[in-house]
Amino acid sequence: GAGVSQSPSNKVTEKGKDVELRCDPISGHTALYWYRQSLGQGLEFLIYFQGNSAPDKSGLPSDRFSAERTGGSVSTLTIQRTQQEDSAVYLCASSLNQGGEAFFGQGTRLTVV
Amino acid sequence: KQEVTQIPAALSVPEGENLVLNCSFTDSAIYNLQWFRQDPGKGLTSLLLIQSSQREQTSGRLNASLDKSSGRSTLYIAASQPGDSATYLCAVTSGNTGKLIFGQGTTLQVKP
Repeated sequence: GAGVSQSPSNKVTEKGKDVELRCDPISGHTALYWYRQSLGQGLEFLIYFQGNSAPDKSGLPSDRFSAERTGGSVSTLTIQRTQQEDSAVYLCASSLNQGGEAFFGQGTRLTVV
Repeated sequence: KQEVTQIPAALSVPEGENLVLNCSFTDSAIYNLQWFRQDPGKGLTSLLLIQSSQREQTSGRLNASLDKSSGRSTLYIAASQPGDSATYLCAVTSGNTGKLIFGQGTTLQVKP
């Protein structure tokens, strides 16, 4: 596809369940970012992948959050034992390389009930 | 630690006015600075990217400047229109970590 694609666009889950959010970056982009945006708030950095380097996980809020990027392309953000405070829009972005222009997907709106 | 600040947090102007949004950052070691637009309930749309070696970039009615040494950028919007109403975010790519670090945004309302 032409842009960054995220799925699902909306996800409602029960408290305590695990969820997986998917991000398909622009083909050939080596850098991939995950952010979280709570209602009315700014963007909170979660994790950054750059090529084959070890990811920067410094923004993950707890050990319930993890992310992987398979084959340097698709990324999955997993939240285990979801809590109500995990409710937010999760945004993914990619760029051609470190320091390149970043392009964002439309996000996944997660609601934990 | 890089911190990005945007002033003002909110701005309301009548249609047709020229306006300036401000962005400041604490660490001048950046790869680039990028301005985004976010409409309610939507993702981010890239507006302008300024590399660290550049002073400004222009796209249509938008002009962004960068003064890396003083840690400042401005986004100038000429002849504002109601369709420009949105939240504008600036972000710097850290030269040390490669991370994209955002300000809190300026919410702009242009009244007809």
